[in-house]
Amino acid sequence: DIQMTQSPSSLSASVGDRLTITCQASQDISKYLNWYQHKPGRAPQLLIYDASNLQTGVPSRFSGGGSGTDFTFTVSSLQPEDIATYYCQQYSHRPYTFGQGTKVEI
Amino acid sequence: EVQLVESGGGLVQPGRSLRLSCEVSGFTFDDYAMHWVRQAPGKGLEWVSGISWDSGNIGYADSVKGRFIISRDNAKNSLFLQLMSPRTDDTASYFCVRGRGPGYYVALFDHWGQGTLVTVSS
Repeated sequence: DIQMTQSPSSLSASVGDRLTITCQASQDISKYLNWYQHKPGRAPQLLIYDASNLQTGVPSRFSGGGSGTDFTFTVSSLQPEDIATYYCQQYSHRPYTFGQGTKVEI
Repeated sequence: EVQLVESGGGLVQPGRSLRLSCEVSGFTFDDYAMHWVRQAPGKGLEWVSGISWDSGNIGYADSVKGRFIISRDNAKNSLFLQLMSPRTDDTASYFCVRGRGPGYYVALFDHWGQGTLVTVSS
């Protein structure tokens, strides 16, 4: 199975801060990497697909990049409603695997 | 509006069967592959199983292979997951998830249900 390693596992930031989360795959997954936001008691939401494509309706302060084994997820200006846990997920190989999550607090 | 509503969760004894259902609306069900993803208490997300639009291609995580069965009824806009021999480590919230497109190999999860909690305990 492909292991997805996210860093950091948690972070604390202020409103307006720029934050970056990294995700490393244990083998080459090309561009097949997605990012999700999950708030407690809510359905997870797709934010970024295929490493760098913004899902329709998602604010432009969210962005993603990378390819191969190393990926980044950035929030350009953190807002209070961005408090959540963020997950990366690969779909290059089955089984489809998620990172362990990054909990973002303010 | 796309909606996915899970049901069927609850308390089940180890080894006793349980069937989860997901009723969808707001899109043409048989245009899309569907998946189940779970989250154990305090843990991250885990892909469980996926099924193509016509049930022609099906996949499972190794952790549930041989114990869970995914199926769908396109006439009823419904997805199912049969937990044949649940174990205590299957305790989790189970999310019904839409894939992008008809094939389950494109495991890009663009719509999720709210989840249904399954507790496996004696």
